Amino acid sequence: ELKVEQNPLFLSMQEGKNYTIYCNYSTTSDRLYWYRQDPGKSLESLFVLLSNGAVKQEGRLMASLDTKARLSTLHITAAVHDLSATYFCAVGFRGSTLGRLYFGRGTQLTVWP
Amino acid sequence: DSGVTQTPKHLITATGQRVTLRCSPRSGDLSVYWYQQSLDQGLQFLIQYYNGEERAKGNILERFSAQQFPDLHSELNLSSLELGDSALYFCASTPGVGNQPQHFGDGTRLSIL
Repeated sequence: ELKVEQNPLFLSMQEGKNYTIYCNYSTTSDRLYWYRQDPGKSLESLFVLLSNGAVKQEGRLMASLDTKARLSTLHITAAVHDLSATYFCAVGFRGSTLGRLYFGRGTQLTVWP
Repeated sequence: DSGVTQTPKHLITATGQRVTLRCSPRSGDLSVYWYQQSLDQGLQFLIQYYNGEERAKGNILERFSAQQFPDLHSELNLSSLELGDSALYFCASTPGVGNQPQHFGDGTRLSIL
């Protein structure tokens, strides 16, 4: 069974601190995405990772992909309140119908002063 | 604004009823995806259409059906509604079936009374 697991599911952190969200997946993938969702809102695409060793950065967020370990990380540097949201990783698996994505359960991030 | 339009934003109806959710993809996008988001199941892929043809089916119940029309808009039909169908239903679109990130609409919140 194809699985995507994120941890932690809930993360409460102080402004200015660093932390990493992990996304593990169960079989070979050819693409991985990170999305952000604010409460009651839609999902916003953050990063697209397509190859082993890929690293993408935008502001205080940096995403990386290790296809051999079947692991992606989303690193938060010097967190600020505006980063409070739920973050999802989504994986496309080789052999599955192109386009279909499998989503993790999401990591609900709360940044407090 | 992702460019993906979903209507209506909210639907409140009773068990046993039937509803239709509508999605207009971004201009030029040929692929449409439907997802169901609930607290207990997370974000679940339902079905994908590409240029009018069904391309992938996920955890879609037999009571649910979808189609994509020649103008590329899509409709998700939910019938014999049950309390457990209460959820947020998202539509997403991409230009094709490659590696581009899916762009999500704002969703339709369905509440079954």
